[in-house]
Amino acid sequence: NAGVMQNPRHLVRRRGQEARLRCSPMKGHSHVYWYRQLPEEGLKFMVYLQKENIIDESGMPKERFSAEFPKEGPSILRIQQVVRGDSAAYFCASSLPGLDYEQYFGPGTRLTVT
Amino acid sequence: DQQVKQNSPSLSVQEGRISILNCDYTNSMFDYFLWYKKYPAEGPTFLISISSIKDKNEDGRFTVFLNKSAKHLSLHIVPSQPGDSAVYFCAASADNAGNMLTFGGGTRLMVKP
Repeated sequence: NAGVMQNPRHLVRRRGQEARLRCSPMKGHSHVYWYRQLPEEGLKFMVYLQKENIIDESGMPKERFSAEFPKEGPSILRIQQVVRGDSAAYFCASSLPGLDYEQYFGPGTRLTVT
Repeated sequence: DQQVKQNSPSLSVQEGRISILNCDYTNSMFDYFLWYKKYPAEGPTFLISISSIKDKNEDGRFTVFLNKSAKHLSLHIVPSQPGDSAVYFCAASADNAGNMLTFGGGTRLMVKP
């Protein structure tokens, strides 16, 4: 009974490179959420996706960030031209339709921009 | 503007005693509240939740209390165990805000043997 899977667990990128973070939801979950946690802060909502649809991206920075959840395969959070301020832990969560408030989180990807 | 606040960054409790973690919110549209527990280098783990139509929900050693008039909720853990040592996040959701969760800043609980 695998939980939410995220990879890689740790990612180091130089300024200006691209970062790709992957998330596989729990079995049977079709709703995916991405959150970011800066050091010493709580988690901040970024985007909510269902298969092939972005439902709410109100927490996403307007530039350089994008997310997708294709029909097949994991959800991808993509950060282009990373800057030092992008260094954070990025968590993915998933939920069942109809139980959207109860979100189950993956272990996170720790992005470090050097 | 923090809509969900956990004013105590840390709390230390003796094993066997009660741990009380507090959370305040400002958005009166929040109608569902959750507590998550987080160990270092892991994702948050769902603990317990409560709907705004209730004022108490209990699950084993964990009880969440909601005071809507005060916009305050608390998590009680009794008896506290060393394995409860972690960071606890309060989160809230509003029906008119889709399914996003708004998190507090967390409280680090240390249970001493």
